Amino acid sequence: SQQGEEDPQALSIQEGENATMNCSYKTSINNLQWYRQNSGRGLVHLILIRSNEREKHSGRLRVTLDTSKKSSSLLITASRAADTASYFCATVPMNTGFQKLVFGTGTRLLVSP
Amino acid sequence: DVKVTQSSRYLVKRTGEKVFLECVQDMDHENMFWYRQDPGLGLRLIYFSYDVKMKEKGDIPEGYSVSREKKERFSLILESASTNQTSMYLCASSAGLAGGFSSYNEQFFGPGTRLTVL
Repeated sequence: SQQGEEDPQALSIQEGENATMNCSYKTSINNLQWYRQNSGRGLVHLILIRSNEREKHSGRLRVTLDTSKKSSSLLITASRAADTASYFCATVPMNTGFQKLVFGTGTRLLVSP
Repeated sequence: DVKVTQSSRYLVKRTGEKVFLECVQDMDHENMFWYRQDPGLGLRLIYFSYDVKMKEKGDIPEGYSVSREKKERFSLILESASTNQTSMYLCASSAGLAGGFSSYNEQFFGPGTRLTVL
């Protein structure tokens, strides 16, 4: 079953602009993670934010988490053509026994030079 | 760096064939996972394993089985391949927590196997 839903499904911007992707989920979580997938490849972990954190930074990435709204956002600043990829949020739901990741359907980001 | 490798990038099989997809990780991770990825459906968990010889069903285990005889290797088996199993298959691994089989940690993915069943 899918937990996360990303919005928008697709995003097209110019190099240098910021890209914001949103993720909503349904149940209480232990943590939320963001992954990137280049076309036809495996996923690469970007950042993890725990349920007791509100904001986290990693280089040009900024992630926020609002557990009251069950939502998260990923901001990529000063985007580059190399950021073109699909981005997925994944949650670790609470109280599900083995803490498996549940992925959303992703946002496709296209950054044009 | 963690490395997760999968035996094939592309595979073409015929309906009814038995198919083996192999995954190997080199970081001594306790947990290993098999997902399939289909357009519009995201990643769906097929099976996972938190220890050698241990396996748990994920969300869509029907038509699949797994084997984990060694810690570094996790195999996905399609007993009798069908056309609806045409998909991208992704293997992943993660470190477990001492004393438990929780997976709070990031997962490391292999490059994927694109399987076509004719």
